Amino acid sequence: KNEVEQSPQNLTAQEGEFITINCSYSVGISALHWLQQHPGGGIVSLFMLSSGKKKHGRLIATINIQEKHSSLHITASHPRDSAVYICAVLGGNSGYALNFGKGTSLLVTP
Amino acid sequence: DAGVTQSPTHLIKTRGQQVTLRCSPKSGHDTVSWYQQALGQGPQFIFQYYEEEERQRGNFPDRFSGHQFPNYSSELNVNALLLGDSALYLCASGGLAGGREQFFGPGTRLTVL
Repeated sequence: KNEVEQSPQNLTAQEGEFITINCSYSVGISALHWLQQHPGGGIVSLFMLSSGKKKHGRLIATINIQEKHSSLHITASHPRDSAVYICAVLGGNSGYALNFGKGTSLLVTP
Repeated sequence: DAGVTQSPTHLIKTRGQQVTLRCSPKSGHDTVSWYQQALGQGPQFIFQYYEEEERQRGNFPDRFSGHQFPNYSSELNVNALLLGDSALYLCASGGLAGGREQFFGPGTRLTVL
């Protein structure tokens, strides 16, 4: 099984701060997802990456295939960004199944 | 485009009963995956359907079964419900049009009493 590790597990930031969440995995993959989940809510797909970098609004995701590492950055954080951010990988020895990290719980305070 | 839809939103059942959850994939998608997310845990893969066949299965007992219809919608059936089956059940769809990206539905919250 592809081990997916996220850090930090919990993160508290003040509004306006730049936030970085990290994800590392142990086996080669075909794609990596960054997902967002609000308390009690469903999951929203933020990005799918297989190489390089993607940007959407204040969110930026990068992946380094050689180092088996990805980062999710949030610029100018806002309280509405408070949620759990989950890294999930596809491929390697998991086949068609997404293999999820444990998530990073982010709280942005005013 | 309605995205991925799931029904019902919430469901309460008692132990031993059977339940059917439904999922309609995003337009243009032909694969449907089901995941179980227990409270405070990450989602766990149940199975994936493609071309009306179960293409891959996770580590779940035979009490969990599914079906995919010609219009690509899917059902998840759980028999002989246990208290431990209480969870958020997530459906994700994907297809060639979207590459390998998977889009999630809002989930069905199942409570077993």
